[in-house]
Amino acid sequence: GAVVSQHPSRVICKSGTSVKIECRSLDFQATTMFWYRQFPKKSLMLMATSNEGSKATYEQGVEKDKFLINHASLTLSTLTVTSAHPEDSSFYICSASKNRAGGELFFGEGSRLTVL
Amino acid sequence: DAKTTQPPSMDCAEGRAANLPCNHSTISGNEYVYWYRQIHSQGPQYIIHGLKNNETNEMASLIITEDRKSSTLILPHATLRDTAVYYCIRNTNFGNEKLTFGTGTRLTIIP
Repeated sequence: GAVVSQHPSRVICKSGTSVKIECRSLDFQATTMFWYRQFPKKSLMLMATSNEGSKATYEQGVEKDKFLINHASLTLSTLTVTSAHPEDSSFYICSASKNRAGGELFFGEGSRLTVL
Repeated sequence: DAKTTQPPSMDCAEGRAANLPCNHSTISGNEYVYWYRQIHSQGPQYIIHGLKNNETNEMASLIITEDRKSSTLILPHATLRDTAVYYCIRNTNFGNEKLTFGTGTRLTIIP
């Protein structure tokens, strides 16, 4: 299998601050990464598709100015939650594709954000 | 719209085979059936996928009906560590397609 790592796994921040979450593919290059958000006892909701070297594609209803995504290299995508509020508290999960036939996605461990 | 239907929850006795059904009656000819699972507070884990033939790997078996309108994931000897939410997802096989997760089946393995 392939390894995708997220950091930090848990973060607590004050309301109004910004938080950056990193997603790294450790043993493969990922042209495309995906960011999901998951609320307690709910399913994963796709937030955006992150493409290396280009702007992210956001799902309907996701504020691109609030959730900044940068995919500067083939092994790293970052999600920055800007001016965080308590309602942004959630479990954020990234996934990456090897972009080849076979198609499975590899997911990170998730990052739990708590905004006080 | 996840485009698949799964029972919300199931129980299975430890050591028994767990059979998780999925309905995907509107699946397209170029769409595969993927199964992922999510153990509490972790990221999803890939299990298996298939197009029309039955598939088996070290984790599970996937049985797809001949008309491809439904499938069953089989965990042959369930253990307590198999307790998780299992997601059945339709997707093309290009590798860069975004996955749409439904509500899945919450499988509880009972000692």
